[in-house]
Amino acid sequence: QSVLTQPPSVSAAPGQKVTISCSGSSSNIGNNDVSWYQQLPGTAPKLLIYENNKRPSGIPDRFSGSKSGTSATLGITGLQTGDEADYYCATWDSSLSVGVFGGGSKLTVL
Amino acid sequence: QVQLVESGGGVVQPGGSLRLSCAASQFTFSSYSMHWVRQAPGKGLEWVALIRSDGTNQHYADTVKGRFTISRDNSKNTLYVQMNSLRAEDTAVYYCAKDLFPSGSGLGSWGQGTLVTVSS
Repeated sequence: QSVLTQPPSVSAAPGQKVTISCSGSSSNIGNNDVSWYQQLPGTAPKLLIYENNKRPSGIPDRFSGSKSGTSATLGITGLQTGDEADYYCATWDSSLSVGVFGGGSKLTVL
Repeated sequence: QVQLVESGGGVVQPGGSLRLSCAASQFTFSSYSMHWVRQAPGKGLEWVALIRSDGTNQHYADTVKGRFTISRDNSKNTLYVQMNSLRAEDTAVYYCAKDLFPSGSGLGSWGQGTLVTVSS
């Protein structure tokens, strides 16, 4: 059971928008920045969003992040078939002094 | 272009030991905290351990605490994890990852991973 809770799967049609939620607590999301990762099949994860809403260079602005209280959200607009992947949220847990990942959400672009 | 190359994976019997290495290049290794993250077959990502840039501070997931030791050699630009008392549930692809910035801010670069299989 992951410390951060994500929906196991999400889906939407090409060109549409999807959001992926990540729920935690005051000891993790509530007091630390959230990052989001994309893992395409058979590859290593890639950082999509850091510090809740910032994109590393090279990440298109179709990807966005937000945080409110003890929850965070990843948004993806203009969905493409190439966006089909597993998406993970992550942060630090200050009470446990450990890094924590969400369980992952599998995105299907129908 | 940041490069992180893991090595040392393989098949080991339960109760055995293994040391993984991660060779880093194309960035100032000694300025960044480094992490190990693992992924069991068909499962999600699990954070394993963190070591600060100067090696003085380490943190571990409860699942590996007391069995795994993360270390680094800044003179060799290499990260290690010594894994002892291995269990079947430690079977996973192990990734090393670097913070995006010296101040932190997420895991900005990842290696390709090395597979550890614990089986008799």
